[in-house]
Amino acid sequence: TAGITQAPTSQILAAGRSMTLRCTQDMRHNAMYWYRQDLGLGLRLIHYSNTAGTTGKGEVPDGYSVSRANTDDFPLTLASAVPSQTSVYFCASSARSPGELFFGEGSRLTVL
Amino acid sequence: GQNIDQPTEMTATEGAIVQINCTYQTSGFNGLFWYQQHAGEAPTFLSYNVLDGLEEKGRFSSFLSRSKGYSYLLLKELQMKDSASYLCAAMDSNYQLIWGAGTKLIIKP
Repeated sequence: TAGITQAPTSQILAAGRSMTLRCTQDMRHNAMYWYRQDLGLGLRLIHYSNTAGTTGKGEVPDGYSVSRANTDDFPLTLASAVPSQTSVYFCASSARSPGELFFGEGSRLTVL
Repeated sequence: GQNIDQPTEMTATEGAIVQINCTYQTSGFNGLFWYQQHAGEAPTFLSYNVLDGLEEKGRFSSFLSRSKGYSYLLLKELQMKDSASYLCAAMDSNYQLIWGAGTKLIIKP
């Protein structure tokens, strides 16, 4: 079972360029999340989706957008990347809330 | 504000026992989670506590005191593979997780 697949694994991006991080799950989980993880800080929620067709803002949504057209896919888009968006991005899903989160392997993004 | 505190780093010896503490302050409370994260990998779920007391799962146990805003993760019979970061996260009244920065556990032979 694949679980959650993220792509790309890593990317170097020039400031000002746009980028979409892909996330696909095969567990039919209703809820999906995007987090960023920075050294010395806890995971911070960017955006979430409780079910297909709905999205919500997390703790640090500025500069990011998401869509949830179907249950399986939850892409994260950076419209115009800035160096402060250099981070490791994790996509996660859960069958219910509160409940166990299943994480993807992460996407390491460097914005220069 | 909402806050999670846990030690930045701990060192323990293979075969020993270690306790990783976590204190939390949240707006409402819907449970306390512990995750393990090996370097360069994704976090994986270890435990969930919503009622006071100790939950045991093999070599790992998790404790919660709601009145004190306190939890700990107890790891017994430490193995080298337990070297990882341990993330504490509390769920608030909106079912949002508030994460600690993680405790890096170093196991020495």
